[in-house]
Amino acid sequence: GAGVSQSPSNKVTEKGKDVELRCDPISGHTALYWYRQSLGQGLEFLIYFQGNSAPDKSGLPSDRFSAERTGGSVSTLTIQRTQQEDSAVYLCASKPRLEGEQYFGPGTRLTVT
Amino acid sequence: SQQGEEDPQALSIQEGENATMNCSYKTSINNLQWYRQNSGRGLVHLILIRSNEREKHSGRLRVTLDTSKKSSSLLITASRAADTASYFCATDNGGNNRLAFGKGNQVVVIP
Repeated sequence: GAGVSQSPSNKVTEKGKDVELRCDPISGHTALYWYRQSLGQGLEFLIYFQGNSAPDKSGLPSDRFSAERTGGSVSTLTIQRTQQEDSAVYLCASKPRLEGEQYFGPGTRLTVT
Repeated sequence: SQQGEEDPQALSIQEGENATMNCSYKTSINNLQWYRQNSGRGLVHLILIRSNEREKHSGRLRVTLDTSKKSSSLLITASRAADTASYFCATDNGGNNRLAFGKGNQVVVIP
Protein backbone atom coordinates (compact mmCIF):
# COMPACT_ATOMS: atom_id res chain seq x y z
CA GLY A 1 0.00 0.00 0.00
CA ALA A 2 0.96 3.67 -0.17
CA GLY A 3 3.28 4.98 2.45
CA VAL A 4 3.49 8.42 3.98
CA SER A 5 3.96 11.07 1.34
CA GLN A 6 5.22 14.62 1.70
CA SER A 7 5.28 17.56 -0.65
CA PRO A 8 7.17 19.34 -1.91
CA SER A 9 10.32 17.22 -1.72
CA ASN A 10 12.45 20.33 -1.89
CA LYS A 11 11.60 23.95 -1.21
CA VAL A 12 13.84 26.97 -1.60
CA THR A 13 12.43 30.20 -0.25
CA GLU A 14 13.62 33.67 0.54
CA LYS A 15 14.00 34.82 4.11
CA GLY A 16 10.78 36.39 5.35
CA LYS A 17 8.45 34.41 3.11
CA ASP A 18 5.86 31.93 4.41
CA VAL A 19 5.98 28.24 3.45
CA GLU A 20 3.53 25.36 3.70
CA LEU A 21 4.64 21.77 3.89
CA ARG A 22 2.18 18.95 3.35
CA CYS A 23 1.98 15.45 4.76
CA ASP A 24 -0.34 12.66 3.65
CA PRO A 25 -0.25 9.92 6.28
CA ILE A 26 -1.06 6.28 5.73
CA SER A 27 -4.81 5.82 5.55
CA GLY A 28 -6.26 4.80 8.88
CA HIS A 29 -3.30 5.93 10.96
CA THR A 30 -4.61 7.96 13.86
CA ALA A 31 -1.36 9.51 15.02
CA LEU A 32 0.70 11.99 13.00
CA TYR A 33 4.01 13.58 13.95
CA TRP A 34 6.19 16.34 12.54
CA TYR A 35 9.93 16.38 13.16
CA ARG A 36 12.76 18.64 12.05
CA GLN A 37 16.25 17.43 11.26
CA SER A 38 19.07 19.88 10.83
CA LEU A 39 22.19 18.83 8.94
CA GLY A 40 23.97 15.97 10.67
CA GLN A 41 21.66 16.09 13.67
CA GLY A 42 19.01 13.87 15.18
CA LEU A 43 15.30 14.44 14.88
CA GLU A 44 13.69 17.28 16.81
CA PHE A 45 10.04 16.73 17.70
CA LEU A 46 7.73 19.54 16.59
CA ILE A 47 4.07 18.56 16.96
CA TYR A 48 1.86 15.49 17.44
CA PHE A 49 -1.75 14.85 16.42
CA GLN A 50 -3.77 11.94 17.83
CA GLY A 51 -7.28 11.43 16.51
CA ASN A 52 -9.57 14.27 17.50
CA SER A 53 -7.57 15.23 20.57
CA ALA A 54 -5.91 18.61 20.93
CA PRO A 55 -2.46 18.45 19.33
CA ASP A 56 0.72 18.38 21.39
CA LYS A 57 2.45 21.56 20.19
CA SER A 58 5.15 21.56 22.83
CA GLY A 59 7.97 21.06 20.33
CA LEU A 60 7.23 24.02 18.07
CA PRO A 61 10.27 26.32 18.30
CA SER A 62 8.43 29.62 17.94
CA ASP A 63 5.03 31.11 17.19
CA ARG A 64 6.04 31.33 13.53
CA PHE A 65 5.39 27.61 13.33
CA SER A 66 1.90 26.14 13.20
CA ALA A 67 0.29 22.96 11.96
CA GLU A 68 -3.15 21.68 11.14
CA ARG A 69 -4.58 18.29 10.50
CA THR A 70 -7.82 18.37 8.56
CA GLY A 71 -10.35 15.57 8.81
CA GLY A 72 -7.94 13.43 10.76
CA SER A 73 -5.85 12.86 7.66
CA VAL A 74 -3.72 15.36 5.73
CA SER A 75 -1.55 17.72 7.74
CA THR A 76 0.04 21.03 6.82
CA LEU A 77 2.99 22.58 8.63
CA THR A 78 3.23 26.32 8.10
CA ILE A 79 6.28 28.43 8.80
CA GLN A 80 5.71 32.17 8.68
CA ARG A 81 8.40 34.76 8.04
CA THR A 82 11.03 32.10 7.45
CA GLN A 83 14.52 32.55 8.83
CA GLN A 84 17.77 30.96 7.68
CA GLU A 85 17.88 28.81 10.81
CA ASP A 86 14.62 27.19 9.65
CA SER A 87 16.60 25.43 6.91
CA ALA A 88 16.32 21.72 7.61
CA VAL A 89 14.60 18.54 6.50
CA TYR A 90 11.05 18.38 7.81
CA LEU A 91 9.85 14.83 8.36
CA CYS A 92 6.34 13.59 8.89
CA ALA A 93 5.44 10.24 10.41
CA SER A 94 2.22 8.39 11.12
CA LYS A 95 1.36 5.53 13.41
CA PRO A 96 -1.62 3.18 13.45
CA ARG A 97 -1.92 2.76 17.21
CA LEU A 98 -0.64 4.16 20.45
CA GLU A 99 2.37 1.91 20.77
CA GLY A 100 4.67 0.81 18.02
CA GLU A 101 6.72 1.97 15.12
CA GLN A 102 6.30 5.20 13.25
CA TYR A 103 6.16 5.24 9.46
CA PHE A 104 8.12 8.13 8.02
CA GLY A 105 7.66 10.07 4.84
CA PRO A 106 10.63 11.03 2.63
CA GLY A 107 10.77 14.53 4.08
CA THR A 108 10.80 18.05 2.68
CA ARG A 109 14.18 19.72 2.42
CA LEU A 110 13.64 23.42 3.16
CA THR A 111 16.33 25.92 2.27
CA VAL A 112 15.89 29.54 3.32
CA THR A 113 18.17 31.91 1.44
CA SER B 1 13.83 16.57 24.49
CA GLN B 2 16.50 14.28 23.02
CA GLN B 3 17.47 11.53 25.35
CA GLY B 4 18.97 8.84 23.18
CA GLU B 5 22.67 9.08 22.59
CA GLU B 6 24.39 6.72 20.25
CA ASP B 7 28.00 5.69 20.60
CA PRO B 8 30.17 5.61 18.54
CA GLN B 9 29.13 8.44 16.25
CA ALA B 10 30.80 7.09 13.12
CA LEU B 11 31.85 3.59 12.18
CA SER B 12 33.67 2.35 9.11
CA ILE B 13 33.92 -1.40 8.55
CA GLN B 14 34.66 -3.92 5.83
CA GLU B 15 31.84 -5.85 4.21
CA GLY B 16 31.22 -9.06 6.11
CA GLU B 17 32.24 -7.65 9.47
CA ASN B 18 29.84 -7.00 12.31
CA ALA B 19 28.82 -3.49 13.32
CA THR B 20 27.83 -2.61 16.89
CA MET B 21 26.24 0.62 18.02
CA ASN B 22 25.22 1.66 21.50
CA CYS B 23 22.54 3.97 22.79
CA SER B 24 21.99 5.35 26.26
CA TYR B 25 18.98 7.15 27.64
CA LYS B 26 18.04 8.96 30.80
CA THR B 27 14.44 8.30 31.79
CA SER B 28 12.25 5.22 32.11
CA ILE B 29 10.89 3.90 28.83
CA ASN B 30 8.02 1.88 27.45
CA ASN B 31 10.02 0.70 24.48
CA LEU B 32 13.13 1.54 22.47
CA GLN B 33 13.26 1.53 18.70
CA TRP B 34 16.02 1.59 16.12
CA TYR B 35 15.66 3.32 12.76
CA ARG B 36 17.83 3.57 9.66
CA GLN B 37 18.15 6.64 7.48
CA ASN B 38 19.65 6.69 4.02
CA SER B 39 20.84 9.90 2.40
CA GLY B 40 19.36 12.16 5.05
CA ARG B 41 15.75 11.53 4.10
CA GLY B 42 12.99 9.25 5.43
CA LEU B 43 13.62 6.89 8.31
CA VAL B 44 12.88 3.19 8.17
CA HIS B 45 11.91 1.31 11.29
CA LEU B 46 14.21 -1.63 12.02
CA ILE B 47 13.23 -3.13 15.33
CA LEU B 48 11.35 -2.38 18.55
CA ILE B 49 12.24 -3.80 21.94
CA ARG B 50 9.93 -3.42 24.92
CA SER B 51 11.11 -2.53 28.38
CA ASN B 52 10.43 -6.06 29.66
CA GLU B 53 12.52 -7.63 26.89
CA ARG B 54 16.27 -8.10 27.04
CA GLU B 55 17.13 -9.23 23.53
CA LYS B 56 15.46 -9.34 20.17
CA HIS B 57 16.47 -10.59 16.73
CA SER B 58 15.32 -9.66 13.27
CA GLY B 59 17.26 -11.15 10.37
CA ARG B 60 20.85 -9.91 10.68
CA LEU B 61 19.90 -7.50 13.44
CA ARG B 62 20.26 -8.15 17.15
CA VAL B 63 19.14 -5.64 19.74
CA THR B 64 19.77 -5.80 23.45
CA LEU B 65 18.24 -3.68 26.17
CA ASP B 66 19.57 -3.19 29.68
CA THR B 67 17.07 -1.11 31.61
CA SER B 68 19.25 -1.10 34.74
CA LYS B 69 21.98 0.67 32.77
CA LYS B 70 19.51 2.54 30.55
CA SER B 71 21.32 1.37 27.46
CA SER B 72 20.72 -0.55 24.27
CA SER B 73 22.93 -1.96 21.55
CA LEU B 74 22.29 -2.73 17.91
CA LEU B 75 24.39 -5.38 16.22
CA ILE B 76 24.38 -5.85 12.46
CA THR B 77 25.99 -9.14 11.53
CA ALA B 78 27.71 -9.92 8.23
CA SER B 79 27.41 -6.33 7.07
CA ARG B 80 26.77 -5.44 3.44
CA ALA B 81 27.49 -2.30 1.46
CA ALA B 82 23.74 -1.64 1.45
CA ASP B 83 23.86 -1.31 5.25
CA THR B 84 25.68 2.01 4.81
CA ALA B 85 23.37 4.50 6.50
CA SER B 86 22.74 6.47 9.67
CA TYR B 87 21.22 4.54 12.52
CA PHE B 88 19.12 6.20 15.22
CA CYS B 89 17.78 4.92 18.48
CA ALA B 90 14.54 6.39 19.77
CA THR B 91 12.85 5.98 23.10
CA ASP B 92 9.13 5.92 23.79
CA ASN B 93 8.30 6.71 27.40
CA GLY B 94 4.65 5.87 26.84
CA GLY B 95 3.49 9.19 28.24
CA ASN B 96 2.82 11.31 25.19
CA ASN B 97 3.73 8.71 22.57
CA ARG B 98 6.40 10.90 21.02
CA LEU B 99 9.81 9.42 20.29
CA ALA B 100 13.00 10.98 21.58
CA PHE B 101 15.74 10.43 19.03
CA GLY B 102 19.47 10.30 19.50
CA LYS B 103 21.89 12.08 17.19
CA GLY B 104 22.57 9.01 15.10
CA ASN B 105 25.43 6.74 14.13
CA GLN B 106 26.92 6.97 10.66
CA VAL B 107 27.93 3.51 9.45
CA VAL B 108 29.97 3.03 6.29
CA VAL B 109 30.41 -0.49 4.99
CA ILE B 110 33.29 -0.74 2.55
CA PRO B 111 32.80 -3.31 -0.23
